[in-house]
Amino acid sequence: DVKVTQSSRYLVKRTGEKVFLECVQDMDHENMFWYRQDPGLGLRLIYFSYDVKMKEKGDIPEGYSVSREKKERFSLILESASTNQTSMYLCASSLGETGSNIQYFGAGTRLSVL
Amino acid sequence: GEDVEQSLFLSVREGDSSVINCTYTDSSSTYLYWYKQEPGAGLQLLTYIFSNMDMKQDQRLTVLLNKKDKHLSLRIADTQTGDSAIYFCAEKEGGKLIFGQGTELSVKP
Repeated sequence: DVKVTQSSRYLVKRTGEKVFLECVQDMDHENMFWYRQDPGLGLRLIYFSYDVKMKEKGDIPEGYSVSREKKERFSLILESASTNQTSMYLCASSLGETGSNIQYFGAGTRLSVL
Repeated sequence: GEDVEQSLFLSVREGDSSVINCTYTDSSSTYLYWYKQEPGAGLQLLTYIFSNMDMKQDQRLTVLLNKKDKHLSLRIADTQTGDSAIYFCAEKEGGKLIFGQGTELSVKP
């Protein structure tokens, strides 16, 4: 079974802190994604990566950056956390662009910025 | 950009059928998906359908695809309290998925 692991289930940070959210997948997937989930808004794509050291902006990249130094690991960075970044963050991975392209999700990190 | 729309809430009684609806805009989508999210958890793939199919059945789940109206539905037969969750439909766009807002299904005993 594909496993996508997010390093923390819950995080509480203060405004202005630098925050790292880590995601690791164990199925040698090419693609990795970071979403945030807010009630009534569904999943919104922050950043994604189709390969090591490659990144693409999603729909809401402002205030975030990412790092993909190794194929299995995709990190989301909040350079200076703000209260409007309080949300549920979901990481996902998929094999490639062709075929069914099923995305597999981690359990999520619920971040509170105070 | 492409858009996927769902109603936000659905309430049914245990044992009834649930039908969750979704509309999408990209007529070239090759795959459409249904994901389930239980409270406090990530998303889990329930089923998906290729665009050349009209229907797909998997035990209690039936997916119907109307390409002309760009309408996708998920029917859950004999709905149980364990089916209470948020259900997301999604369409494939290149290497990405575009998700709807999610429909919260509440099953009352």
